[in-house]
Amino acid sequence: ETGVTQTPRHLVMGMTNKKSLKCEQHLGHNAMYWYKQSAKKPLELMFVYNFKEQTENNSVPSRFSPECPNSSHLFLHLHTLQPEDSALYLCASSQRGQGLQFFGPGTRLTVL
Amino acid sequence: QQQVKQSPQSLIVQKGGIPIINCAYENTAFDYFPWYQQFPGKGPALLIAIRPDVSEKKEGRFTISFNKSAKQFSLHIMDSQPGDSATYFCAASRQGGSEKLVFGKGTKLTVNP
Repeated sequence: ETGVTQTPRHLVMGMTNKKSLKCEQHLGHNAMYWYKQSAKKPLELMFVYNFKEQTENNSVPSRFSPECPNSSHLFLHLHTLQPEDSALYLCASSQRGQGLQFFGPGTRLTVL
Repeated sequence: QQQVKQSPQSLIVQKGGIPIINCAYENTAFDYFPWYQQFPGKGPALLIAIRPDVSEKKEGRFTISFNKSAKQFSLHIMDSQPGDSATYFCAASRQGGSEKLVFGKGTKLTVNP
């Protein structure tokens, strides 16, 4: 595997379900990000992790819970989501202090 | 407050045309300006990037023009092809500071055969 991978690629869940999105980067980077991409909206930064420490939370509702066990892996735990949370969730990684971010293919999430 | 304004929202050109996408920023501390290309069902991929110490950068058919005094930069695609049909995002960040990339809203480009 190379670059940034995300699983699953597609996820359909009910509002009462609990699920997790996984991201893995194979680039030796030390910063990782979660973005939300909705139709007709710009890419919305959700969380930033540097060296496994969360350094930014952009007022994201608590029903989204990130976890970064090491510099290569990033999770987004989901619970009691709303239909408006349906979107493409993108993971990215970079070398800290550099603006160049590499994105994964995303997880298309549908909340019923 | 949107810090990077991108226009147009959508653009349709004929094959061989030269689409131009414009972006304007507000924060003078920004010093790195990448463009990303995103195909349907895929994540954004870095296309080309520029720093404010140069006014133009070219990679293949893609050219970034940068106007520091006007705080504007633009992407030109020479001899556009149907395979260039995608959504293009401009972005800005400050090197060595926050890793936060601020994105424009995106431009959906369609190149007709």
